Amino acid sequence: GENVEQHPSTLSVQEGDSAVIKCTYSDSASNYFPWYKQELGKRPQLIIDIRSNVGEKKDQRIAVTLNKTAKHFSLHITETQPEDSAVYFCAADDYKLSFGAGTTVTVRA
Amino acid sequence: GAVVSQHPSWVICKSGTSVKIECRSLDFQATTMFWYRQFPKQSLMLMATSNEGSKATYEQGVEKDKFLINHASLTLSTLTVTSAHPEDSSFYICSARVGTYGYTFGSGTRLTVV
Repeated sequence: GENVEQHPSTLSVQEGDSAVIKCTYSDSASNYFPWYKQELGKRPQLIIDIRSNVGEKKDQRIAVTLNKTAKHFSLHITETQPEDSAVYFCAADDYKLSFGAGTTVTVRA
Repeated sequence: GAVVSQHPSWVICKSGTSVKIECRSLDFQATTMFWYRQFPKQSLMLMATSNEGSKATYEQGVEKDKFLINHASLTLSTLTVTSAHPEDSSFYICSARVGTYGYTFGSGTRLTVV
């Protein structure tokens, strides 16, 4: 089955700086890679996703890159704001979602 | 669109009793429903995949006799935690695929077994 590894587990950044979270996956059949933000006790919220036929996707301050050869994908948040503080999960889809362990991002004002 | 309604949002039950969690797709037909469990400060772990009209497929290490999944219709999937114990206390959440790419999630159920 799919195995997704996510790093770092915690990330503290100064407001306005960039945050980068990296994930690797094991199953080359995975073809869809979403990123979620989750607040305590709430459902995951999709913040951005990328399909396997695309190398990069951007949505305002958030971008995701995918390297299929190396089987890794990354989330980039620029100009971080306090409201970006949350737990972020990457996931890989090989007909079912497998999640990374999560990254707790803290944006310091 | 593509909303999954999950109930209850929280439940407290006594050890040894059973609890049923429902996930209903409101505006689409969910052929497949995925059930996840999330312990505090941990990730979402897939427990099982249910397909309408057939038996659920359980992930390795998940007791199928303890976590009963029923997907009798295209709009309703249920998870029953039987003979619940305190270690079953967790956040349970369902998810359905939407289209070729994308998933929608229920709002989750916080189960506390006392």
